[in-house]
Amino acid sequence: SQTIHQWPATLVQPVGSPLSLECTVEGTSNPNLYWYRQAAGRGLQLLFYSVGIGQISSEVPQNLSASRPQDRQFILSSKKLLLSDSGFYLCAKRTTGMNTEAFFGQGTRLTVV
Amino acid sequence: AQTVTQSQPEMSVQEAETVTLSCTYDTSENNYYLFWYKQPPSRQMILVIRQEAYKQQNATENRFSVNFQKAAKSFSLKISDSQLGDTAMYFCAFLMPSGSRLTFGEGTQLTVNP
Repeated sequence: SQTIHQWPATLVQPVGSPLSLECTVEGTSNPNLYWYRQAAGRGLQLLFYSVGIGQISSEVPQNLSASRPQDRQFILSSKKLLLSDSGFYLCAKRTTGMNTEAFFGQGTRLTVV
Repeated sequence: AQTVTQSQPEMSVQEAETVTLSCTYDTSENNYYLFWYKQPPSRQMILVIRQEAYKQQNATENRFSVNFQKAAKSFSLKISDSQLGDTAMYFCAFLMPSGSRLTFGEGTQLTVNP
């Protein structure tokens, strides 16, 4: 199974509040995991990716952080949200081998007010 | 770092006709993967087609086919017999086999008109 569980689906948070988005994946162990953000009608901006537990690569310096406490768990966090953090957040998992591809969660629509 | 460019923000096509979406990329590597993903209004990302750079033959999946020009670093998607359900945002993406960074273009919004 390549199922990706991402929650919540929708979130409205005030400016300055903390954030925690959780993503859990099924399937093979030690997957590559990704967090993307998508502004309305725009492309996918890679925020973080992880190749293993505790291993996080940051693509965009900002007030967001990511953690991978377990093999199949990837968490996106913020201590204090900004208005510019609003967007659609997608968690993804990459499969390896000849048929490599990325599978995506359903996404979280975050609105910072 | 690899970059992916989609120069057509929006396109439209009549139902049953053929449309081609463009994608170019920049890399110094010889072996890599290229993808086209579809994002319908539900915003769920769906893999349309995959191409391995070492394969000279263009990938085909039913009505979807690619024109992969490795020397020109071009990877276009052709949709034949367009259907209303093809209306979506289409993203081109690049991935190194041994790497981890999966890079997307800005997307092309395709509208299929009845």
